[in-house]
Amino acid sequence: DADVTQTPRNRITKTGKRIMLECSQTKGHDRMYWYRQDPGLGLRLIYYSFDVKDINKGEISDGYSVSRQAQAKFSLSLESAIPNQTALYFCATALAGENTQYFGPGTRLTVL
Amino acid sequence: GQQLNQSPQSMFIQEGEDVSMNCTSSSIFNTWLWYKQDPGEGPVLLIALYKAGELTSNGRLTAQFGITRKDSFLNISASIPSDVGIYFCAGRKETSGSRLTFGEGTQLTVNP
Repeated sequence: DADVTQTPRNRITKTGKRIMLECSQTKGHDRMYWYRQDPGLGLRLIYYSFDVKDINKGEISDGYSVSRQAQAKFSLSLESAIPNQTALYFCATALAGENTQYFGPGTRLTVL
Repeated sequence: GQQLNQSPQSMFIQEGEDVSMNCTSSSIFNTWLWYKQDPGEGPVLLIALYKAGELTSNGRLTAQFGITRKDSFLNISASIPSDVGIYFCAGRKETSGSRLTFGEGTQLTVNP
């Protein structure tokens, strides 16, 4: 079983729709992250959380929100999706005090 | 914005050839990580480096933490078709907590 899972794996939606991407982990890690990947730009941090209810903005948080209601779950929301939010979204987890981040399989989001 | 410059952006090589790629920055990092992303998957950690000058191997992969702490290198020896994928460097600054900065990625294609 995968340690970090993301749902859905693929999603096509329309401009203006609200979308939620879910991330769950069984690694027992306290830190969780959301990234987006665009061709030629690598991975850019959207939001991160060090514990339940702890939320921190990353470098590209505008247009996104997150929720960390449980240690194992970290959800990313697009309140009103726009086409330039079309990207591959990755969730990652890490243990406090360690540098290594473990990534989920990704969600491919297309906004028409 | 992006603070790590990764090169080359893409490489097309023959099976059996050696590969070199690097990441450079104007900033100092105290940890360097190298990840590989297979198509349709999330990045997976290959090698972690924690000290300037450190040279670490993982099978046919060897990575080095630059002595200036502003760069890192990854070498793959005797490439095989399953080496195909995107390779990312990631660095962590002392002041950034657990946040990582990612390079833009190197797309590697290996021709049999």
